[in-house]
Amino acid sequence: DTAVSQTPKYLVTQMGNDKSIKCEQNLGHDTMYWYKQDSKKFLKIMFSYNNKELIINETVPNRFSPKSPDKAHLNLHINSLELGDSAVYFCASSPVAVWGQETQYFGPGTRLLVL
Amino acid sequence: QQPVQSPQAVILREGEDAVINCSSSKALYSVHWYRQKHGEAPVFLMILLKGGEQKGHEKISASFNEKKQQSSLYLTASQLSYSGTYFCGTEKAGGTSYGKLTFGQGTILTVHP
Repeated sequence: DTAVSQTPKYLVTQMGNDKSIKCEQNLGHDTMYWYKQDSKKFLKIMFSYNNKELIINETVPNRFSPKSPDKAHLNLHINSLELGDSAVYFCASSPVAVWGQETQYFGPGTRLLVL
Repeated sequence: QQPVQSPQAVILREGEDAVINCSSSKALYSVHWYRQKHGEAPVFLMILLKGGEQKGHEKISASFNEKKQQSSLYLTASQLSYSGTYFCGTEKAGGTSYGKLTFGQGTILTVHP
């Protein structure tokens, strides 16, 4: 069984469109994350939710809006897509947070290409 | 601020050893190591907490020197399966958000037969 799943796996779209990526984890974890990995493989945290509450909100354009309907799901909605949004977006989850011990389990990634 | 990894790339033959270093300019609480194979998700290897501990995972081990704000990942008797990009993720001491990892730029490890 897949621990952290994301849909879709690939997303090709035009500039200016709005799109969503969905993430689900069946590990019973309390914390979920969104990361962006650019073409140079730089992996940067965007958001984190703990039990549906936003706890990390990095300097990300407000075109990006995360939503956590329950602690097993974290979705990412992107408005007015730009060329620079092209990247691989990873969802991750970790168990109950204890400082320094939050092993993060990553989903397979969503490859977004904006044309 | 992003930690700095060195070297940027390593090429090995099976059975050889390698060391990957991760340095931060900030005081750290923990260092996390991940490996990512091409086209796949990062996979957790180990966490090191402040205290200078060394951890092991099969033939892969790591150390954390909190005074120097450095961690090193040791790969011994490398196997073909070790190939991939290795990332260190650092968690700042005194940070306000647990789980907030800042990743290094990655070290590409290639193991040849």
